Amino acid sequence: DTAVSQTPKYLVTQMGNDKSIKCEQNLGHDTMYWYKQDSKKFLKIMFSYNNKELIINETVPNRFSPKSPDKAHLNLHINSLELGDSAVYFCASSRQERNTIYFGEGSWLTVV
Amino acid sequence: AQRVTQPEKLLSVFKGAPVELKCNYSYSGSPELFWYVQYSRQRLQLLLRHISRESIKGFTADLNKGETSFHLKKPFAQEEDSAMYYCALIAQGAQKLVFGQGTRLTINP
Repeated sequence: DTAVSQTPKYLVTQMGNDKSIKCEQNLGHDTMYWYKQDSKKFLKIMFSYNNKELIINETVPNRFSPKSPDKAHLNLHINSLELGDSAVYFCASSRQERNTIYFGEGSWLTVV
Repeated sequence: AQRVTQPEKLLSVFKGAPVELKCNYSYSGSPELFWYVQYSRQRLQLLLRHISRESIKGFTADLNKGETSFHLKKPFAQEEDSAMYYCALIAQGAQKLVFGQGTRLTINP
């Protein structure tokens, strides 16, 4: 009965590689997000999609490309990974008319 | 632009002692405020939101518009309260949750 699920949970990869993190929510929410939590535990929004349309893009390098095939999925693809991309990436979702945001368990990305 | 400030990066109290995690915000409109908790290596979970005015796990938070604060309080800390706590804000009409820097709360036995 997982509400927001993301895979993989852990990912170790080399610099320069391309990787994807998948996210799915079964809450029937209209809006999905990607947040990044850095090594200092700062949490910052990266993207937000509403009904498959991009509505927030917070000055994220264009190596990061979100893709929303339907409103229950929001995947994050990262090209040419850099050391600074190492972080925990959280997917989240919310219902449009209500503001409570539900988070996935996070994906720990380590770039070596 | 909205901003949320949690002035304490680390907070350590003894079990049974009162806890207060500070949160201040800057926003000219009427914000909606939240506290999220993240236990070790787990997802962020909503702890409480100011509009519901409820107490969760013994925690309460009151929105003080005059002081632009939304401090989180618990009268008697328990060891299981050790976690990372984030104060967050959503501006009117927005869907972006803006987080504070987080406070790591440690409850000592």
